[in-house]
Order: sequence, then structure tokens, then C-alpha cells
Amino acid sequence: EAGVAQSPRYKIIEKRQSVAFWCNPISGHATLYWYQQILGQGPKLLIQFQNNGVVDDSQLPKDRFSAERLKGVDSTLKIQPAKLEDSAVYLCASSEQGPTGYTFGSGTRLTVV
Amino acid sequence: AQSVSQHNHHVILSEAASLELGCNYSYGGTVNLFWYVQYPGQHLQLLLKYFSGDPLVKGIKGFEAEFIKSKFSFNLRKPSVQWSDTAEYFCAVTHPSGSARQLTFGSGTQLTVLP
Repeated sequence: EAGVAQSPRYKIIEKRQSVAFWCNPISGHATLYWYQQILGQGPKLLIQFQNNGVVDDSQLPKDRFSAERLKGVDSTLKIQPAKLEDSAVYLCASSEQGPTGYTFGSGTRLTVV
Repeated sequence: AQSVSQHNHHVILSEAASLELGCNYSYGGTVNLFWYVQYPGQHLQLLLKYFSGDPLVKGIKGFEAEFIKSKFSFNLRKPSVQWSDTAEYFCAVTHPSGSARQLTFGSGTQLTVLP
């Protein structure tokens, strides 16, 4: 079974620039999550999709972050403009419906300089 | 809102030593509990999970965890660690009902095993 694919693996940008991350979940997984993992901390949920609808984006800084999941499969997360404190690993995860665990992607490590 | 506490930020052990990493959560209802491991440069991997039934859960690579409801705890254990267990370990909790099965993570425990 293919895992959750994320790209790019690494990205370095200057503050105030924009950046986008891409995620392809496991085939058939209806739920997709974006998490932010700052160095030394546990992952924190940014946004959750169920198919192509948003379930929870309460912790997404909507003034600069946006995410979409068109057609209920792939998803993109965008930051515009980036700040230094956005430096983190951005993790995508997907899950089936029901009480099963998640599958995480390898993440995109963002460095804002 | 639920939260997860991992009190040990960094644990250093010698090979063959026994391991116990603490995890406490703050939610009074039914929860699902997880331990994830993150090896250097790799993605989060599920070690074990508890949904219901036997509170002693066995996972991969010789790890186990015990759910103690009265203590709101889900401590991770391994009787004899190996150098290859060096990694960061995250405890996580989710509320099982509804569609919003979001994981809430602890801050992680970095385990270093000395050869």
C-alpha cells in the first residue's frame, strides 16, 4: 500500500514570500489532516478535511494560511506571506472512517529566513 | 479541550536498560490513545494504540503500554532498549466519537540509547 506522499521534502524561503505544500493521501482515505510540528514540540492540527469539506480549521492562521482539497483527494497548504515563526515541519496525514489510526507522510521541512 | 502531558523531555539510557515514558491526558470521557515514534529524519510511525479491552497493549518492536483510566495515564514501556530505539516518542489522544477524530499530541520525549 502506498503511503501518504508529500512534496517538497525541504523548502527554504525568505520572510514575506509565499510557499505551497502538496499532499496525496492514501487511496480511499476520506479524512485528511495538516499538522504543524515546530522543533521541540508535538504536532499541532492546522486543518481537517472530510472528503473535500473542511471539518475543523479553528487553529489555522487564516490571515496567512490557506488549504484546499479539491475533488476530495489531493490537498495543498499555502502560506502567504511567511513569517519566521512558520519555520516547522508540515505533516499531512490521512485516515479511514472509523476507529483506526492515521498514516503520516514524511513531511515538508520549511525554513523561513 | 483535551491535552497530553509528557513529563520526560529527554531520557538517556544504556543499552539493555528498561524504559518507561510517562504520558498523562486530560479528558474525562472515552479516549483512544496512541504512541508514535519518529526516528531521525523519518516520518511518524505508529508504535501501538489502545481503543478498548485489555488495558495492556503490545505494539511493534517489543514496546507495550498500559492504560490506567483512574490515573489518566498511558505509559510506554520496553524491558530492554537497543541503540536503534534512539528516537523521539510522542503520546497522542483522540476522542473516538464523531468524524472529528483529531489527534492531540504531547510535546514528545527524546530517547537516546548509548551503546
